Amino acid sequence: QVQLQESGPGLLKPSDTLSLTCAVTGYSIISSNWWGWLRQPPGKGLEWIGYIYFNGKTKYNPSLKSRVTMSVDTSKNQFSLKLSSVTALDTAVYYCATASVGYNFDKWGQGTLVTVSS
Amino acid sequence: QSVLTQPPSASGTPGQRVTISCSGSSSNIGSNAVNWYQHLPGTAPKLLIYSNNQRPSGVPDRFSGSKSGTSASLAISGLQSEDEADYHCATWDDSLSGLLVFGGGTKLTVL
Repeated sequence: QVQLQESGPGLLKPSDTLSLTCAVTGYSIISSNWWGWLRQPPGKGLEWIGYIYFNGKTKYNPSLKSRVTMSVDTSKNQFSLKLSSVTALDTAVYYCATASVGYNFDKWGQGTLVTVSS
Repeated sequence: QSVLTQPPSASGTPGQRVTISCSGSSSNIGSNAVNWYQHLPGTAPKLLIYSNNQRPSGVPDRFSGSKSGTSASLAISGLQSEDEADYHCATWDDSLSGLLVFGGGTKLTVL
């Protein structure tokens, strides 16, 4: 069965670029799924960042679009997130997830905490 | 400030039936299907209900979802201690260029 695992730095300084990777096992990333990123700031609800199809087609949250880039590496069966110019407001647990149909995220990673602090 | 409105907390005793509400607008719940996620802190969120009232394989039929107009509800019958978790509603919002929106989450406590 599909498993997802996030990886990347846990501590960033303001103005840094957040870079996370999601390794996918048990399933090919070139299948007909959307591969997405979501986050949950401390004490707040979940926020959708965006998602990407294996062919590179993307859909981003309009509020983050200017700072977000997602990509897929089919050779490594993984996908990535870059979020530029981070501030303390970007401190959150970041999740990668996959949707086999529409926006139904039916499999998630465990999440990784990213803290932005000077 | 989340786009969808959920009560911050809910509670019930074992065996009881509890419901969690999710309120939105015509551009989100009023136009699109609602999903519900169960989330235990420190673990991966789990898709509990999709397309308003459909359960993924493996989800007990104690969990049910419904939608009416611009509101949706999650009902849990025969409450069990392991149901203690955060519950989040989500749907697509057709405003701007479209985005997935969530509620703020409801912390369910089993007394």
